[in-house]
Amino acid sequence: DTGVSQDPRHKITKRGQNVTFRCDPISEHNRLYWYRQTLGQGPEFLTYFQNEAQLEKSRLLSDRFSAERPKGSFSTLEIQRTEQGDSAMYLCASSFTGGELFFGEGSRLTVL
Amino acid sequence: GENVEQHPSTLSVQEGDSAVIKCTYSDSASNYFPWYKQELGKRPQLIIDIRSNVGEKKDQRIAVTLNKTAKHFSLHITETQPEDSAVYFCAASMSQGAQKLVFGQGTRLTINP
Repeated sequence: DTGVSQDPRHKITKRGQNVTFRCDPISEHNRLYWYRQTLGQGPEFLTYFQNEAQLEKSRLLSDRFSAERPKGSFSTLEIQRTEQGDSAMYLCASSFTGGELFFGEGSRLTVL
Repeated sequence: GENVEQHPSTLSVQEGDSAVIKCTYSDSASNYFPWYKQELGKRPQLIIDIRSNVGEKKDQRIAVTLNKTAKHFSLHITETQPEDSAVYFCAASMSQGAQKLVFGQGTRLTINP
């Protein structure tokens, strides 16, 4: 499968723990996006990278959230000191500049 | 910032009938309007998109119309089939710059056999 892949697909953690999600985009794509989707809602933009540069962050992304794309390829999204309100599906997408966004299957976070 | 409203939230139609989902947006600078289909537990997948220099676009049973003056766009599915059952999301963005999509709340479409 040459699509966007995300790992892990499901993470259950206790409140206060740190979690990290990984996204491997489609290899030729220069843009990578993180979205969050809660049950019954549309995805909400969190942040995006063009190559290795993080160019925009949503106000939804508190200082407990950090994202990296160190070599312009895969990306990680870390959530520190998780809270129950962080429970959601975290979706990664990639694209060419100006092109269609391709989404991954998502990483579902459950914070107990 | 951009705000996208989507209606209805649920839609049930008989197989073979047409389904229409409508969205409105707030930012007149938006010029790219994709529609995504998301099946339960699956990734959102693009089914059709339209850019602001076009008023209508069709792909087999699916069509999208755009009214820039009124700031609304609609998805039309004709001859619906059971496999069309899913949640559909509209979105809006500027195709330049960040190209960050702002999504509507989604429409759960059920096709009754």
